[in-house]
Amino acid sequence: GAVVSQHPSRVICKSGTSVKIECRSLDFQATTMFWYRQFPKQSLMLMATSNEGSKATYEQGVEKDKFLINHASLTLSTLTVTSAHPEDSSFYICSAGGSADTQYFGPGTRLTVL
Amino acid sequence: GENVEQHPSTLSVQEGDSAVIKCTYSDSASNYFPWYKQELGKGPQLIIDIRSNVGEKKDQRIAVTLNKTAKHFSLHITETQPEDSAVYFCAASKGGSYIPTFGRGTSLIVHP
Repeated sequence: GAVVSQHPSRVICKSGTSVKIECRSLDFQATTMFWYRQFPKQSLMLMATSNEGSKATYEQGVEKDKFLINHASLTLSTLTVTSAHPEDSSFYICSAGGSADTQYFGPGTRLTVL
Repeated sequence: GENVEQHPSTLSVQEGDSAVIKCTYSDSASNYFPWYKQELGKGPQLIIDIRSNVGEKKDQRIAVTLNKTAKHFSLHITETQPEDSAVYFCAASKGGSYIPTFGRGTSLIVHP
């Protein structure tokens, strides 16, 4: 149990385009989902907390107009990187809050912006 | 806020040896301590966790110990195997709606 999926696993896009990443909790409902960004050989950097039916809470320094988050249902949250630029290239990982404080992570999405 | 320090950043062992990764935390209100294993190109996977009402927890070859007084907790892997090679992250949380704070990670390399 407690499986979280992400789609796509890899995406390459041109500078200026927008990219949407989906995060789904497959076998449980998640009121709260989290979006992280990870640079090579570094720890997880929390970008925002996504709450079902309400606006996301962004961490300091994260542009909410650039990283649009929607949590439309208890099993789906989406992250849209708008007007992507090469510096947005990174590994994006979502997680879903399970029972008893545990977070379950998705497999990640590798974004490359050319 | 919470601050989690993790050591070492890199750990190299021979197959069959034990590996120990240590973390310290700063907020005495933290009461939930998960450990994650991240293989290259994949998301972190929860491998074991411990709560502040327990001093030790084991699951086959892995164990976690917690010292609340000293505010540190450790991951122990016995009889290491090459497939244990990965980056391991510790985290500390106050539970509930509190978001965990992660350590910087330990790259474990198990040589066959």
